[in-house]
Amino acid sequence: SQTIHQWPATLVQPVGSPLSLECTVEGTSNPNLYWYRQAAGRGLQLLFYSVGIGQISSEVPQNLSASRPQDRQFILSSKKLLLSDSGFYLCAWGLARDTQYFGPGTRLTVL
Amino acid sequence: KNEVEQSPQNLTAQEGEFITINCSYSVGISALHWLQQHPGGGIVSLFMLSSGKKKHGRLIATINIQEKHSSLHITASHPRDSAVYICAAHPGTGNQFYFGTGTSLTVIP
Repeated sequence: SQTIHQWPATLVQPVGSPLSLECTVEGTSNPNLYWYRQAAGRGLQLLFYSVGIGQISSEVPQNLSASRPQDRQFILSSKKLLLSDSGFYLCAWGLARDTQYFGPGTRLTVL
Repeated sequence: KNEVEQSPQNLTAQEGEFITINCSYSVGISALHWLQQHPGGGIVSLFMLSSGKKKHGRLIATINIQEKHSSLHITASHPRDSAVYICAAHPGTGNQFYFGTGTSLTVIP
C-alpha cells in the first residue's frame, strides 16, 4: 500500500531564516506530487506540482521553491522566510491527474 | 467568485442528527472529491465522484452533474465526525484542483 510522509510535523522559524520541508511517498512509482499551503481560515492553495524528477511547475509566484531530486521525494524550500509564509503545508500525491492523497502536513510558524 | 462554493461554512449538530453539506461548482469537472480534515490537520480522502452516489458507512455522497452540485450526508452523526469537510473539483485538464473553503462541523454529545 502507498503511504506519504512529511517532516517535520511542526516548525517554528524566525523571519529571514531558510526553510526545507520534505515529503516522501512509498509504495508507488512516478507519482504526481503537489505542495499546498493552507493559511488560517482559508482554503488550500496549490504552490507547486511535479510530474517527474526535476520537473517543477509553480502556480503562485513567491519566495518559495520546490525540487524533486528523486522520484518519490519532493522538497519545499525558502532562502528567507517571511511572516506571511506561516501556515499549514500539505504534500499530496496522485497517479491519475484527478486523484490526490494528502500527507499529514507541516505546521509552520514564522516569528 | 470561487469555482467551488460550499455551504454552510460552519455547522453545529447534536449527536445523532442527519447532516448535509453542500458543494456547488461553476466549471466542468471530471471528478469531485470530498475530503475530511481533523483538528490535527491531516486530510483524508472520503469520496471521489464523477456521477451518481457513493456510500461508505454512515457517509453518503451524491453528485448531480447537470446542476453542478454535490452533497455530503452524514447519518447518525457522532462527535468523532467533528472536522472540516472540503469539496474539491478537478476540471479534467491540467493539474489544478479547485477547492472549497471547507465546512467546519461540530457534533455535540
